[in-house]
Amino acid sequence: NAGVTQTPKFRVLKTGQSMTLLCAQDMNHEYMYWYRQDPGMGLRLIHYSVGEGTTAKGEVPDGYNVSRLKKQNFLLGLESAAPSQTSVYFCASSWTTEQYFGPGTRLTVT
Amino acid sequence: AQRVTQPEKLLSVFKGAPVELKCNYSYSGSPELFWYVQYSRQRLQLLLRHISRESIKGFTADLNKGETSFHLKKPFAQEEDSAMYYCALRALSGSARQLTFGSGTQLTVLP
Repeated sequence: NAGVTQTPKFRVLKTGQSMTLLCAQDMNHEYMYWYRQDPGMGLRLIHYSVGEGTTAKGEVPDGYNVSRLKKQNFLLGLESAAPSQTSVYFCASSWTTEQYFGPGTRLTVT
Repeated sequence: AQRVTQPEKLLSVFKGAPVELKCNYSYSGSPELFWYVQYSRQRLQLLLRHISRESIKGFTADLNKGETSFHLKKPFAQEEDSAMYYCALRALSGSARQLTFGSGTQLTVLP
């Protein structure tokens, strides 16, 4: 049981480049979430999904898109990266109230 | 909209001393409160939730609706308690089970 995995672990992008972060869970959870973690700001919800084929905006969705084509995967896309998107990105999944987190992706945009 | 405030970014205590990490929230309805912990090089994980009224690793937290607080306490801190602690709130209305996190408190327990 791998739990929640995230790919890649680290990435450096130039301003304007695009990329996709992959989150996968093997716990058959309905709910999945993408957060960003910035110093002094805690975790802020970017987008979330309440089931396969659904997505919804969180607190800070601008500049990001998501897709949940398969129940076990939740993709976070950056179409045109900006330095303000330099952050650590966490994916999480849940069935009831407890959320299970991935190890994080450290993204730097130069 | 809900909000979670953790007033201390950094907190240092000596081993064996009591520790209290503060958490205040604002929400007009009935919330569910949690403490999550992130140890060095580990994933964020649930420490405890107010509904369970349990003690985990010696930590307890009581929901005080009058003061809108959910402070985390431990009577005798250990070095292995050093970590980043996040207080989180979930609104009981709605079905998305979203959490609103505080900004976190980095706890250091000194030998």
